[in-house]
Amino acid sequence: GAVVSQHPSWVICKSGTSVKIECRSLDFQATTMFWYRQFPKQSLMLMATSNEGSKATYEQGVEKDKFLINHASLTLSTLTVTSAHPEDSSFYICSAGTGEYEQYFGPGTRLTVT
Amino acid sequence: SQKIEQNSEALNIQEGKTATLTCNYTNYSPAYLQWYRQDPGRGPVFLLLIRENEKEKRKERLKVTFDTTLKQSLFHITASQPADSATYLCARGAGGGNKLTFGTGTQLKVEL
Repeated sequence: GAVVSQHPSWVICKSGTSVKIECRSLDFQATTMFWYRQFPKQSLMLMATSNEGSKATYEQGVEKDKFLINHASLTLSTLTVTSAHPEDSSFYICSAGTGEYEQYFGPGTRLTVT
Repeated sequence: SQKIEQNSEALNIQEGKTATLTCNYTNYSPAYLQWYRQDPGRGPVFLLLIRENEKEKRKERLKVTFDTTLKQSLFHITASQPADSATYLCARGAGGGNKLTFGTGTQLKVEL
C-alpha cells in the first residue's frame, strides 16, 4: 500500500517553455502533498506544501509564480514549472501524507532544460 | 533554524557487519525523527520513525535510537548485505503540517 506515482519520469524541454509534472497517490487519499527539489549530491529541499482544494504554501525563496501547484483532488497534485530555464534543471520529487507523520514519495521526475 | 546533519562521507563496510549511521540535530529536540532509504534516481522510501520519548525502535534488521541528551539518532543495519547499499536520509519535523527537513544523507556501500 501507500504507492505514489509521478509522471513523467523524465522530461527535456527548451528554455522558456513550461512543463507540468503530475503526482498521484494510487491506493490512498492524501490529505497533504509535498513537492521537493533535489540537486546532485544534495538533500531534498522542500518547495511547497499543498492541501486539496486550497492554495499551496511555498517555502521561503521559492517563486510561486514560477512553480505553480494545483491540488485538484485527494489523489492528484500537479507542479508546473513555467518559463523554465537551465537553472531549473533538477530532480523533482513529490510526496503524500496520510495524516500520520511519515511521507510516501513518488519515484521523481528528472527535468532537463536546454 | 533547525538543522539535520549527517556524515557526508560514504560508509563502506563488509557484508555481514553492522552498519551504523549518525544523524545529529540542532536546537530543540524534534517530536520525532524519521529515516528513509534513497536509491540513485529514485524517491526516498520510508523506513522507520522514532518519537522523542522512545529510546529505541526496531524493524527486522534495522534499529534506530534517539538520544535527546546528545541530540543524536543512530541508525543500525545488522547483518548487512550488498542490497542494503543506498543513501540513507534522516529527517525531522519542520514546523506544522508534518513538514520535514532532511539531512544530506549518508551513502552506504556494502561490499562482498
